[in-house]
Amino acid sequence: EPEVTQTPSHQVTQMGQEVILRCVPISNHLYFYWYRQILGQKVEFLVSFYNNEISEKSEIFDDQFSVERPDGSNFTLKIRSTKLEDSAMYFCAAILTVVGRGGLTGSYNEQFFGPGTRLTVL
Amino acid sequence: GNSVTQMEGPVTLSEEAFLTINCTYTATGYPSLFWYVQYPGEGLQLLLKATKADDKGSNKGFEATYRKETTSFHLEKGSVQVSDSAVYFCALSYNNAGNMLTFGGGTRLMVKP
Repeated sequence: EPEVTQTPSHQVTQMGQEVILRCVPISNHLYFYWYRQILGQKVEFLVSFYNNEISEKSEIFDDQFSVERPDGSNFTLKIRSTKLEDSAMYFCAAILTVVGRGGLTGSYNEQFFGPGTRLTVL
Repeated sequence: GNSVTQMEGPVTLSEEAFLTINCTYTATGYPSLFWYVQYPGEGLQLLLKATKADDKGSNKGFEATYRKETTSFHLEKGSVQVSDSAVYFCALSYNNAGNMLTFGGGTRLMVKP
């Protein structure tokens, strides 16, 4: 199974500070996602990312959030000024795609999740 | 909008008992349906999926059937083990490249020896 890894596993920060969460890609992962899970609540979609652009984002993903994948390296989620309510598990997910003769192929709707980063805002 | 509703937990069973976790959904068109499992301290793992009506997904003794008429995708297992203790999430997504998952609230299963 294609593995998605994330760093750090746990991040503690002060309110108002910036944090960057990292998702370590495998070379043939092309679609990326961030989800979050506030303790005891459901997993919520934040943003999807393809070809260096945001494909979709939820209403949670406001101006304090940003994503990037500079130079095909780690896929990152930045929270500019953290709030107490940003405390949650943040999961990165990816779709394994293969470029065939007819374009993209693969299991578009099978997302592989990383182990998550627990963000604690104090 | 799309939504997924699961039975609230925790569900507590004895080993070898029969498991059912109910899941219903609201969506337009024909989404794909999934069950993800989250073991303690770990991320989400895909357990099984079904991509069209009447399909049955199965894995590790778990199974779920995509019922379009009742908009349901209930998870079942004939004989649970202690190692099945985890949180189970029902989810849906459309068959478009890059489409997001919409999750239910999760159901915690605790299996006692």
